[in-house]
Amino acid sequence: EIVLTQSPDTLSLSPGERATLSCRASQSVGSSYLAWYQQKPGQAPSLLIYGTSTRATGIPDRFSGSGSGTDFTLTINRLEPEDFAVYFCHQYGSSPQTFGQGTKVESK
Amino acid sequence: EVQLVESGGGLVQPGTSLRLSCAGSGFIFDDHAMFWVRQVPGKGLEWVAGVSGNTGTIGYADSVKGRFTISRDNGKDSLYLQMNSLRAEDTALYFCAKGRGGGFYFYMDVWGRGTTVAVSS
Repeated sequence: EIVLTQSPDTLSLSPGERATLSCRASQSVGSSYLAWYQQKPGQAPSLLIYGTSTRATGIPDRFSGSGSGTDFTLTINRLEPEDFAVYFCHQYGSSPQTFGQGTKVESK
Repeated sequence: EVQLVESGGGLVQPGTSLRLSCAGSGFIFDDHAMFWVRQVPGKGLEWVAGVSGNTGTIGYADSVKGRFTISRDNGKDSLYLQMNSLRAEDTALYFCAKGRGGGFYFYMDVWGRGTTVAVSS
């Protein structure tokens, strides 16, 4: 099983700042099958990024993903008020699929 | 509009069984893999099980293997999760999610709102 470890657990930032979230895998994620989801309180997760760096439909370009192998990053440029949420990475290249434990981006 | 609606959750005693259902609409159901993901309130997401569109590939998390069975009825546009020998640690909100494609190795592009399972004596 591939274990995904996200860091930091919590990121305290102000609107307009840049958020950099890390997701490290215990072994290489095949074919860059790495996705990111955003979850707001009381809601289901929603897809942000798939294939490491491809934005899902309707996702603004301030969200970007990068990485390969075992190290992946989600960057949110110029945080907007609606971006404060919890973010999860997800590897879907091997079974069982797994999620990271999440990073909470909170308003400072 | 693509929609997933889960049902079947409830409060049950340890050791008993429960069957969750997920009804899909707004898309060609058998063209897509389907998944169950659970979340303890305030905690992270845990991938539980998945099935490819043609049911050719099925996978389970180690924590539920041998106790849970995922299945689908493409004629009814429905996904199921049969949960046996339930434990307190299975208590969570269970989400149904749609894979972007029919193969097993896909990300989840649409999620339901979830159904709550509580296991307690």
